Amino acid sequence: NAGVMQNPRHLVRRRGQEARLRCSPMKGHSHVYWYRQLPEEGLKFMVYLQKENIIDESGMPKERFSAEFPKEGPSILRIQQVVRGDSAAYFCASSPVGGPSTDTQYFGPGTRLTVL
Amino acid sequence: KNEVEQSPQNLTAQEGEFITINCSYSVGISALHWLQQHPGGGIVSLFMLSSGKKKHGRLIATINIQEKHSSLHITASHPRDSAVYICAVRSRGANSKLTFGKGITLSVRP
Repeated sequence: NAGVMQNPRHLVRRRGQEARLRCSPMKGHSHVYWYRQLPEEGLKFMVYLQKENIIDESGMPKERFSAEFPKEGPSILRIQQVVRGDSAAYFCASSPVGGPSTDTQYFGPGTRLTVL
Repeated sequence: KNEVEQSPQNLTAQEGEFITINCSYSVGISALHWLQQHPGGGIVSLFMLSSGKKKHGRLIATINIQEKHSSLHITASHPRDSAVYICAVRSRGANSKLTFGKGITLSVRP
């Protein structure tokens, strides 16, 4: 059973470009979470999704950031018109059906975004 | 004041020592997680606790709900335990999210 997969592992973008980060949850997991880790800072929650639904996006910046988890395929975190301050490690985690209040989350290896 | 505070900020130990890492939080929670982040950046979930104590190998995690405090203990520490240890809490509520501490950087010297 493969773990949570994220790609790319490293992504370099110039200011103004778009960044697309992909996350494939563990098999059988229908809950996906995205977190951001800025340099020298702790992890911060961004968004929680179930298949085809955004459950909680209270941690997402109001502009330029969006996330989806379609019925088929990976979850996508999309950052439009990237700026230098978006440079960070973006982690995805998944948990199985059953809800987030009791389930352990399994983390992917992260995508390290560098904006030049 | 951050909702989750970890201490000490950095910790250096000699191989074989018993290590304790602390986490205090200020909100009511439904669960507390201990995570390990290796120098390469990958994150592993070590424990999820809502009460009492859990043990896995050389790692022991305890939580005191009344005092809003948790500890992670490492017995017979080894250089491969060198990592960042992160405490995270889940507040009460059906779809509540994790709030993370800044993490403790542990270095175990051979």
